Amino acid sequence: AQSVTQLDSQVPVFEEAPVELRCNYSSSVSVYLFWYVQYPNQGLQLLLKYLSGSTLVESINGFEAEFNKSQTSFHLRKPSVHISDTAEYFCAVSEQGAGSYQLTFGKGTKLSVIP
Amino acid sequence: DAMVIQNPRYQVTQFGKPVTLSCSQTLNHNVMYWYQQKSSQAPKLLFHYYDKDFNNEADTPDNFQSRRPNTSFCFLDIRSPGLGDAAMYLCATSTAARRSNEQFFGPGTRLTVL
Repeated sequence: AQSVTQLDSQVPVFEEAPVELRCNYSSSVSVYLFWYVQYPNQGLQLLLKYLSGSTLVESINGFEAEFNKSQTSFHLRKPSVHISDTAEYFCAVSEQGAGSYQLTFGKGTKLSVIP
Repeated sequence: DAMVIQNPRYQVTQFGKPVTLSCSQTLNHNVMYWYQQKSSQAPKLLFHYYDKDFNNEADTPDNFQSRRPNTSFCFLDIRSPGLGDAAMYLCATSTAARRSNEQFFGPGTRLTVL
């Protein structure tokens, strides 16, 4: 069975500073990887995903994540954060292969951007 | 736009009074999920439907039931809500055509139990 570890439960960062939210996973098979963002009292929105190909994936709002197979990591980064990035971020993994219809989520990281 | 819709967004019920939460989708996805999310926690999968096949998680209480009358709609029934059932309930969908299990979430229903 797979598992996901988000090492930081809360990350405060000043506006326009860079940020990295860490995610490590464990699985005995190949995986697909996702980052979801959740704003207060809303559902989860897909931020970006790694399915195959280039290990560096980018979102439309400046976030990027790099899949590192050897370190089993999928850390999320942004070079300059905005107040509007304040939200909770969830890393999730899905095992490749037929018959699996589940995502395993990490516990989430609350990003607080300080003006 | 294709989307996942949940109604109502906020639901207040009394202790022990049955409540039904609704989810509909225009994505024509064959898999639908219900999650429970408590404050500052990850979503917890309650059950999912693959087409009409119902799949219950082992630790989902019997108090929670679900119905999927057609592809578009799925309901979560809480037969006798307790104070511990107050949470955000999230509906999500995916399509088996995408083996990645990428899930599309609705905005959620926040349930308050008085």
